[in-house]
Amino acid sequence: NAGVTQTPKFQVLKTGQSMTLQCAQDMNHEYMSWYRQDPGMGLRLIHYSVGAGITDQGEVPNGYNVSRSTTEDFPLRLLSAAPSQTSVYFCASRKGQGDGYTFGSGTRLTVV
Amino acid sequence: AQTVTQSQPEMSVQEAETVTLSCTYDTSESDYYLFWYKQPPSRQMILVIRQEAYKQQNATENRFSVNFQKAAKSFSLKISDSQLGDAAMYFCAYRGFTGTASKLTFGTGTRLQVTL
Repeated sequence: NAGVTQTPKFQVLKTGQSMTLQCAQDMNHEYMSWYRQDPGMGLRLIHYSVGAGITDQGEVPNGYNVSRSTTEDFPLRLLSAAPSQTSVYFCASRKGQGDGYTFGSGTRLTVV
Repeated sequence: AQTVTQSQPEMSVQEAETVTLSCTYDTSESDYYLFWYKQPPSRQMILVIRQEAYKQQNATENRFSVNFQKAAKSFSLKISDSQLGDAAMYFCAYRGFTGTASKLTFGTGTRLQVTL
């Protein structure tokens, strides 16, 4: 049981490049979310999903796209990277209403 | 909108002593969940403890316990018998029951140092 797996762990992009951050969970969790963590600001919700085929925007969705074609996978796409997207990105999942979220180990993204 | 406030950017505690980290929140919902997460230097977010708002009894997990004051919208974390491995960032988080059920709202964190 691997939990929540995020790849890559580190990435450097040039401004304007696109990329996909991968997130997979093997716990059959319905709820999945993407957060970004910036110094002094805690974690902020980017996008979330309550099940396969269902996604919605969070607090800071601009510049990011998501899809949820399977229960296991929830990739986050950066369409045209900007320096403001330099951050640590976390994927998280949970099973049911009363459960806490389980987090992946994060991706540190630097946009130059 | 819900907000979570952690007013202590940094705290320090001696090994084997007890420390309390503060958290307040603002919500108009009557039912919700509250969490404390630990983030060590490894960057991994680890769930420490959770509390259901409809339960009056304070949650405990080994050396970790909370003081949940619903009327005051306060949710503090007490760490007893502090250990060097407790050194980390601690985040308080809120999650609602219905409309905000999928969203965790985090505070800005408290950095805990543990000294010998």
